[in-house]
Amino acid sequence: SYELTQPLSVSVALGQTARITCGGNNIGSKNVHWYQQKPGQAPVLVIYRDGNRPSGIPERFSGSNSGNTATLTISRAQAGDEADYYCQVWDSTTANVFGTGTKVTVL
Amino acid sequence: QLQLQESGPGLVKPSETLSLTCTVSGGSISSSNYYWGWIRQPPGKGLEWIGTIYYSGSTYYNPSLKSRLTISVDTSKNQFSLKLTSVTAADTAVYYCGTHSSSWYIDSWGQGTLVTVSS
Repeated sequence: SYELTQPLSVSVALGQTARITCGGNNIGSKNVHWYQQKPGQAPVLVIYRDGNRPSGIPERFSGSNSGNTATLTISRAQAGDEADYYCQVWDSTTANVFGTGTKVTVL
Repeated sequence: QLQLQESGPGLVKPSETLSLTCTVSGGSISSSNYYWGWIRQPPGKGLEWIGTIYYSGSTYYNPSLKSRLTISVDTSKNQFSLKLTSVTAADTAVYYCGTHSSSWYIDSWGQGTLVTVSS
């Protein structure tokens, strides 16, 4: 089965840049999607197909994907960006797969 | 804008069947534009995809749940449903319904409903 690995936690200073990685075998050949989830709320899509933003998502959120690692970048981090973030791909053997999740703390 | 709402019992006994329904508004469940899925999240843990159904009735199931799982569509009620048999405490989770495109990103989510498996 296909697995996606994320760091358990990432800390970022207010106004600085946070990078959240998502590791998977040859993930660069797949479409990667990213979700933000705040406590007690349903997830929200923030990036789809590697680097596309849904309407209403700030330009501060961007994504890239190459080789064995996809990355979600949060520029000029704000207190409101504190949340759990999950990557997700579709794989031919496992169908839909979520990453292990990363807790982002803004200091 | 699609809206989704989960409904069903909040408490299920071990070995029994967990049944949930997702009611869709703002669009037709018969639309070829959407896939309809279920995702769950055990307390304090990450997201797990359960399965997806297309309006045609085609289903895609998480291999780890496939033997216990049935997802179906009721076009007359604009709803889709989840049945998970032989539940254990490990099935305790917040269950979300959602919709996604053919690219499999989930762009609309229900608010989620907590289902506890306990005697």
